[in-house]
Amino acid sequence: DVKVTQSSRYLVKRTGEKVFLECVQDMDHENMFWYRQDPGLGLRLIYFSYDVKMKEKGDIPEGYSVSREKKERFSLILESASTNQTSMYLCASNILGQPFHFGPGTRLTVT
Amino acid sequence: QQQVKQSPQSLIVQKGGISIINCAYENTAFDYFPWYQQFPGKGPALLIAIRPDVSEKKEGRFTISFNKSAKQFSLHIMDSQPGDSATYFCAASKAGGSEKLVFGKGTKLTVNP
Repeated sequence: DVKVTQSSRYLVKRTGEKVFLECVQDMDHENMFWYRQDPGLGLRLIYFSYDVKMKEKGDIPEGYSVSREKKERFSLILESASTNQTSMYLCASNILGQPFHFGPGTRLTVT
Repeated sequence: QQQVKQSPQSLIVQKGGISIINCAYENTAFDYFPWYQQFPGKGPALLIAIRPDVSEKKEGRFTISFNKSAKQFSLHIMDSQPGDSATYFCAASKAGGSEKLVFGKGTKLTVNP
């Protein structure tokens, strides 16, 4: 079974802090994605990566950056956390033509 | 612009009833249409998916109906059970699902016992 793990289930940070969200998948998937989920807005794509050291902006990249130094790991970085980044963050991975597999999510609260 | 529109936002059904969730898309390049099910505290999980070469796909109590000309697809849950209570997301992708998924806003389904 594909497993996508995220470093934290719950995280509380202060405004202005630099925040790192880590995602690891164990099935050698090329593609990895970061979404945020907000009530009434569904899942919105922040960034994605089709290969190591490659990254592409999704629909809402502002205020975020990503890093993919190894195939199995995709990190989401909030350079200076703001209260409007309080959300559920979901990581996903897949391989060509196969279903997406999501992690359990990280609920981030920025105070 | 919202590329995948989902309705209703919430749905309450009695046990044994039929739950129907509808989605509409705009981009005719989309060629892969999955439905995801999400329980509280969990990430979304693939429920069922369809490609536009067929008009219907059935897996157990779950059926996707697809209307290519209308650019619409829907999820039908037959004999709905309280355990089906969850949030359901439709999505769409290009290149047979190899590209990023675009999601609808979700439908919270409650099945009353």
